Amino acid sequence: NAGVTQTPKFRVLKTGQSMTLLCAQDMNHEYMYWYRQDPGMGLRLIHYSVGEGTTAKGEVPDGYNVSRLKKQNFLLGLESAAPSQTSVYFCASRRSSGGPSPETQYFGPGTRLLVL
Amino acid sequence: GNSVTQMEGPVTLSEEAFLTINCTYTATGYPSLFWYVQYPGEGLQLLLKATKADDKGSNKGFEATYRKETTSFHLEKGSVQVSDSAVYFCALSPGAGSYQLTFGKGTKLSVIP
Repeated sequence: NAGVTQTPKFRVLKTGQSMTLLCAQDMNHEYMYWYRQDPGMGLRLIHYSVGEGTTAKGEVPDGYNVSRLKKQNFLLGLESAAPSQTSVYFCASRRSSGGPSPETQYFGPGTRLLVL
Repeated sequence: GNSVTQMEGPVTLSEEAFLTINCTYTATGYPSLFWYVQYPGEGLQLLLKATKADDKGSNKGFEATYRKETTSFHLEKGSVQVSDSAVYFCALSPGAGSYQLTFGKGTKLSVIP
């Protein structure tokens, strides 16, 4: 049981390049989230998904797109990277409200992204 | 809207010292409250939680009590170890079917031998 995994661990991009961050979970969770973590800012929600095929905007969605084609995967895309997107990105998942402890989110190890 | 305020860091303590990290929140209704811990180079892990007023969450020697009257959820540990060095995040989820987390900015704790 790997929990939540993220690929890649670290990436350097040039301004204007695109990339996709992959999050995978093997806990059969319905809900998945993408956060960014910046110094002194805590974690801020970018986008989230309440189930396969659905996505919604969070607090800071601009410049990002997401897709949830399979229940276990949640992809975060940067179409044209900017230096302001230099950050550490965390994915998280949780079970639906019908199960035990639905309020607990499980986090991946993070992806460190540097945009030059 | 919902918000979480926690004490600014960094906090540096000697081993076996007493730890308190203050956390206060603003929310309507009856939120659930959490402390997450992030060890160096890792993702966040749930440390403890409390889902209703006067509940005490505890884990690994850490404790926090949900105080609705003071809208607080302070984290405490009686005797810290070097291995407790990490960043600690206070968070809330609004409840009433909404489980989106709002995080505080984090408090970095360093414990020196």
